Amino acid sequence: DIQMTQSPSTLSASIGDKVTITCRASQSINIWVAWYQQKPGKAPKLLIYKASNLENGVPSRFSGSGSGTEFTLTISSLQPDDFATYYCQQYDDYSLTFGGGTQVEIK
Amino acid sequence: QVQLVQSGAEVKKPGASVKVSCKASGYTFASYYMHWVRQAPGQGLEWMGIINPGSGTTSYAQMLQGRVTMTRDTSTSTFYMELSSLRSEDTAVYFCAKGGTAARFFDHWGQGTLVTVSS
Repeated sequence: DIQMTQSPSTLSASIGDKVTITCRASQSINIWVAWYQQKPGKAPKLLIYKASNLENGVPSRFSGSGSGTEFTLTISSLQPDDFATYYCQQYDDYSLTFGGGTQVEIK
Repeated sequence: QVQLVQSGAEVKKPGASVKVSCKASGYTFASYYMHWVRQAPGQGLEWMGIINPGSGTTSYAQMLQGRVTMTRDTSTSTFYMELSSLRSEDTAVYFCAKGGTAARFFDHWGQGTLVTVSS
């Protein structure tokens, strides 16, 4: 299986900060990466697919980039609603795998 | 709008089986694959498998092969995931998740079903 390594595992930030989360794949996965946001007790929500495509209805402060083995999720200006855990997921390989998650906390 | 409504929480003893349902609405049932994903308490997400709603063809994560069965009922637009020989490590929230257009990411999720395995 393709391993997805996310960093950092925890991130402390303030409202208005620019936040960047990184996901590295154990082998090249082209652009087949999605990003999700999950709040406690809730299902994940799709933010980004195909590395950089913003899902309908997701605020434009979220963006994704990367290809091959390194990918980033950026929040340009952190808002109160953005404190959550974020996961990357690869869908290049038939066996789908997720990163371990990044918890974004209030500083 | 797309809705995936799952069955309620379950408590099972080790060795038993559990069957979770996921009723889909708001889209063309046969046009999108359905996945199952689980999340152990305080842990990350784990993909369990996929079902083609048209043909019923399935593919499962290797670590669950032999214990998981995914089915669908086209007459009621409902998906099912059955997990057998339950162990304490199977305690988790189980989600159904609709596949994206021609791709294997997840654009809509059920609300989750907590399955607790305890003697």
